[in-house]
Amino acid sequence: QSVLTQPPSVSGAPGQRVTISCTGSSSNIGAGYDVHWYQQLPGTAPKLLIYENNNRPSGVPDRFSGSKSGTSASLAIIGLQAEDEADYYCQSYDSSLSGWVFGGGTKLTVL
Amino acid sequence: EVQLLESGGGLVQPGGSLRLSCAASGFTFSSYGMSWVRQAPGKGLEWVSTILAAGSDSYSADSVKGRFTISRDNSNNMLYLQMNSLRAEDTAVYYCAKHRGSGMRNWYFDFWGRGTLVTVSS
Repeated sequence: QSVLTQPPSVSGAPGQRVTISCTGSSSNIGAGYDVHWYQQLPGTAPKLLIYENNNRPSGVPDRFSGSKSGTSASLAIIGLQAEDEADYYCQSYDSSLSGWVFGGGTKLTVL
Repeated sequence: EVQLLESGGGLVQPGGSLRLSCAASGFTFSSYGMSWVRQAPGKGLEWVSTILAAGSDSYSADSVKGRFTISRDNSNNMLYLQMNSLRAEDTAVYYCAKHRGSGMRNWYFDFWGRGTLVTVSS
């Protein structure tokens, strides 16, 4: 299992708000390391969505936002659109493993 | 425009070797750390190896340590992954990714290639 824990799946209707959690521990998120999020559309490479906990790269809609508190982080998507249907991954650094770690991924379904 | 183009994937028998390449363009390659990240079929992302900008230091996941070696050629903007003693569980799409961030431990992957498929099977 992954060092960072995400729910396997979430869903929501168009226009709704969904959140995806990412739970870590004292050796990664809780140690103060930044959390980053990636979106992977079906059949494509991952794309950076949120960096350094709550920053959006140029071109990412402001419907996407990130937050971090304690040993956890969250990705929120408001105004869900059909094109948001994808897999989402959180990522941080783990000092016990001495390497970069990903969550197991969350599949977002737009109903 | 940043471009990362992987090559070298294919079918290899268990115990065999393969060398992946990643051609980088659109940025000052020698200024950034680079990594390989893999994704087994139907599974999530797994960090594999990272090399610092100058190539002086590298880091690898325990799952590949001692078998995989990351290297780079800054004069030709190329990243490599030498994979030896391959196992069935190494079967995955291997992505080349560029790092960015403040402080190595807060690095993230700001650009990714399209990936190259490695299949380890007899």
